[in-house]
Amino acid sequence: DAKTTQPTSMDCAEGRAANLPCNHSTISGNEYVYWYRQIHSQGPQYIIHGLKNNETNEMASLIITEDRKSSTLILPHATLRDTAVYYCIALTLGGGSNYKLTFGKGTLLTVNP
Amino acid sequence: NAGVTQTPKFRILKIGQSMTLQCTQDMNHNYMYWYRQDPGMGLKLIYYSVGAGITDKGEVPNGYNVSRSTTEDFPLRLELAAPSQTSVYFCASTAIGTAFEAFFGQGTRLTVV
Repeated sequence: DAKTTQPTSMDCAEGRAANLPCNHSTISGNEYVYWYRQIHSQGPQYIIHGLKNNETNEMASLIITEDRKSSTLILPHATLRDTAVYYCIALTLGGGSNYKLTFGKGTLLTVNP
Repeated sequence: NAGVTQTPKFRILKIGQSMTLQCTQDMNHNYMYWYRQDPGMGLKLIYYSVGAGITDKGEVPNGYNVSRSTTEDFPLRLELAAPSQTSVYFCASTAIGTAFEAFFGQGTRLTVV
């Protein structure tokens, strides 16, 4: 699965949108982009995933560039409870996948009052 | 709906002792994973399983063993505990039918002294 690169840390003001970037320049056509987050000392929590199209759910939006080499996770109105480490993962599903779900270092998002 | 249940939540082991960390899921998921997370670090994959009777090594398997005799259970065995195995251990499960959204347990905090 493709390597992903994320900034080590980011800050965001409460109530503003948080835009978390992820670079996956070597992603292949059948690799999905997944986002998880881990709030301090808890198990990671799934946020959203996508293949080509932009996706939105009750938690966030995922914008994937047309060439699929990068993506952005958007938390539209960040709250203090969104302070967490956010992980971007590229994962192949289906034929040829070993389903080895691994996490990189992620981005520590700090939402400030 | 219990989800992924890990026991125990906390444990202190002496060097050289052995123990089994239990993980059970009630979602009929075929994929299960064990991770460790050292203080201030990211999650490292220890072992994973794509179904009953099938297990495979992750990034840091040394010092651990697993088995998967049923769909529900995926125990992690530590033989000859060492201080380097002091960590928080997370178990996770997922399935293709859930769009591969992984659900995590609450973690087991293990200290080896």
